[in-house]
Amino acid sequence: DTGVSQDPRHKITKRGQNVTFRCDPISEHNRLYWYRQTLGQGPEFLTYFQNEAQLEKSRLLSDRFSAERPKGSFSTLEIQRTEQGDSAMYLCASSETYGGRNEKLFFGSGTQLSVL
Amino acid sequence: GESVGLHLPTLSVQEGDNSIINCAYSNSASDYFIWYKQESGKGPQFIIDIRSNMDKRQGQRVTVLLNKTVKHLSLQIAATQPGDSAVYFCAEAANFGNEKLTFGTGTRLTIIP
Repeated sequence: DTGVSQDPRHKITKRGQNVTFRCDPISEHNRLYWYRQTLGQGPEFLTYFQNEAQLEKSRLLSDRFSAERPKGSFSTLEIQRTEQGDSAMYLCASSETYGGRNEKLFFGSGTQLSVL
Repeated sequence: GESVGLHLPTLSVQEGDNSIINCAYSNSASDYFIWYKQESGKGPQFIIDIRSNMDKRQGQRVTVLLNKTVKHLSLQIAATQPGDSAVYFCAEAANFGNEKLTFGTGTRLTIIP
């Protein structure tokens, strides 16, 4: 499978616990994105990387959230001290830049987080 | 704030008929628009995109129309099939870069056999 891969697919945790999600983008893609999607809504942008550099963060990304892409390949999204409001689908996407232009995003199947 | 929205939250279409899903956007700076299809338990899947220097673009069984005058976007699906049943989102971005997409709420399309 050469698509965007996310792990785990589902995560159930208790309020106050820390969780970490992993995303493996399509191998030649230099850009990686995190989005969050709640039930019945469209995805909301959280942050994105170009190679290992984190270039933009949404105000949705509170200080309990941190994302890394240390080697410019896979990325992790960590949520500390989870709250019930963090329950959502966390989507990862990747794209490549070509001729200075960013090409279309390919999404993974997401990690569904449930905070009890 | 400015947002992307959809006129109809649900749409049911007889198999074989054509469907039209509409989307209104309000950010005048948006110049790149994309339609995504999302099936249950999966991430959004790219369908078709269009840039603001065009008003129509066709793909396989799909056509996207852009009316910048009234800030309206539509997705036409021809000869619908059961596999077309999904939630469809329009998304927008500015400055010909899609680093940060703004998605609408979505329309659930159901194909009736």
